[in-house]
Formats: sequence, structure tokens, C-alpha cells
Amino acid sequence: GDSVTQMEGPVTLSEEAFLTINCTYTATGYPSLFWYVQYPGEGLQLLLKATKADDKGSNKGFEATYRKETTSFPLEKGSVQVSDSAVYFCALRGGATNKLIFGTGTLLAVQP
Amino acid sequence: GAVVSQHPSRVICKSGTSVKIECRSLDFQATTMFWYRQFPKQSLMLMATSNEGSKATYEQGVEKDKFLINHASLTLSTLTVTSAHPEDSSFYICSALPTGDTQYFGPGTRLTVL
Repeated sequence: GDSVTQMEGPVTLSEEAFLTINCTYTATGYPSLFWYVQYPGEGLQLLLKATKADDKGSNKGFEATYRKETTSFPLEKGSVQVSDSAVYFCALRGGATNKLIFGTGTLLAVQP
Repeated sequence: GAVVSQHPSRVICKSGTSVKIECRSLDFQATTMFWYRQFPKQSLMLMATSNEGSKATYEQGVEKDKFLINHASLTLSTLTVTSAHPEDSSFYICSALPTGDTQYFGPGTRLTVL
């Protein structure tokens, strides 16, 4: 079945460091890919998405490119801030359903 | 836009009682809503898909008689945890699907069963 694998956290960075959170997927067909962010004590918020190969989603300085050849969707940010500290979930929506399949989440902690 | 609310945000109940959680899409209509359960430091587990005007579709291993889902209108779905026990304590999150393929999530409900 379809699945999403994320790098295990926590990821601890200093402010202004470069961020990469890896995400790989297994799916039949051509899934849509998403990154969601969950700030402490809050629900998930859509951060960005990409619906086909080579699409780049971007929002709030974060970017992720849909890489079909490596079945990956890594999340990147050039310069993280303390306020970016949160849990980041990679997810896919595939097939004929609207179900989202989530990775296990990666905790990012940014220190001043 | 695309705001989803949940009520209550936190609830504490005694073992054996039932608890109802509401999920509302505030500024859009959603024929489909989803209910998830999130365990501490873990990912979201889809419990069921709720379609307006029809019975919910439950994921394998989820007890439909214990987790009652009603989707009576295009903006409201409810999850009732019946005869709750401490092992039902968790963070319950709903999401709503307007047109397209993007789900919008509620802020979650923390259930604690004593």
C-alpha cells in the first residue's frame, strides 16, 4: 500500500541555519504531496503542496519539489527562525480516494 | 478562508460516559470530513471518513459502535466516543475537504478519560 517515510527527529538547528527534512513515498500512480506543520498545542496547517512531478510548492520561505525519479519531496528552508519550531508532517494523497497518508512527523527545534 | 473549528478543545470525563466532539467548517461547505486520532509524539491515524448524508466509512480496526460519526450537514460532523475508557484518551482531529484535494484541519480536541 501507499506509505510515507520521514527522517526521524528531533532536528535541532541554530537560528538562520539551512533546513532539509527528507520525505520519501511509495504510491501507485501519481499522488499529490503535502507538507503540514503543527505548532505546539495547535492543529495541523497546510504549509505547501505539489500535485505533479517537478512542481515546487512554496510558502513562508519553505520549499519542496516533487521529485518523481527519486520518489521524494524534501522540505527546505534557507534560514530558519525560532518561530519555525514545530512538527512537520509529510503526506500524500493518492489513487481515487481523498485519504491522506501521513509520515510520522519530524520535530524541528530552532535555538536562538 | 478555509477555517475548521472543533468543540470542545479539551474535555475530561469519567470512565463509562459518552463524549461528543463537533467539527465545523466555518466558511465553506464540505461533503467529506475526516476524523483522525493522534497519539503522543506519533503521526495521525485516520479513523473514518464522514460523508454528508450517508454512513461513515471506518478504517480497519476502528470500532464503529464505539466511535459514532454523524455528518448531518455540509458544515458539521460529530464524533461521539461512547462508554469512554482511559485507553480512549487521545488527541482527536478532524479535517474537512472542500473542492479540490486539500484537507483543512481543525485545532483538535484533547480527550482525557479518568
